Amino acid sequence: EAQVTQNPRYLITVTGKKLTVTCSQNMNHEYMSWYRQDPGLGLRQIYYSMNVEVTDKGDVPEGYKVSRKEKRNFPLILESPSPNQTSLYFCASNGRGGTEAFFGQGTRLTVV
Amino acid sequence: GQSLEQPSEVTAVEGAIVQINCTYQTSGFYGLSWYQQHDGGAPTFLSYNALDGLEETGRFSSFLSRSDSYGYLLLQELQMKDSASYFCAVRDPSGSGNTGKLIFGQGTTLQVKP
Repeated sequence: EAQVTQNPRYLITVTGKKLTVTCSQNMNHEYMSWYRQDPGLGLRQIYYSMNVEVTDKGDVPEGYKVSRKEKRNFPLILESPSPNQTSLYFCASNGRGGTEAFFGQGTRLTVV
Repeated sequence: GQSLEQPSEVTAVEGAIVQINCTYQTSGFYGLSWYQQHDGGAPTFLSYNALDGLEETGRFSSFLSRSDSYGYLLLQELQMKDSASYFCAVRDPSGSGNTGKLIFGQGTTLQVKP
């Protein structure tokens, strides 16, 4: 089954404690991205990757890092989380030229 | 820059027909997609239009007019379970549309009432 898997689904953490949200896809897609979703603001892209070792900033990259060492994995790293990063996060993948993006189940992060 | 405009909210009654509009401004165009997202859930793909006209998938249809930079999602025989947010999206025009990057509208919240 084609899918994008994110973990964890829910996370409560404290300010400044580094965390990683994992994302994995099984469709051999070149393109992967991270979004955050906040009430009234839609989906805002954080970072994206067009292939292994190729990443670039999206619209709201501050406070986040990513890496793409393997095609299937695209972890999101918060080196020093702050309360304004409390949000719902989605990982997504699609093939180049593909018309359909596949989203992970989402990670609801709370930073206190 | 690239931008998409959608209404923020739409309300309709069960059994009715509702149309959600999307206008876009992009330097190049490689198709318009629609996604559905239930509260707390992940966005899921509904439809894609590359050419002008209507694409029908069951109760849902999507329309595109490239000359007007406009599209819409049409939902017929509305059911309570159709209450959700709906996003239009275009492929980023850089790299002849083949970077894989998608640009999303802000989303339209549809509330279906009994």
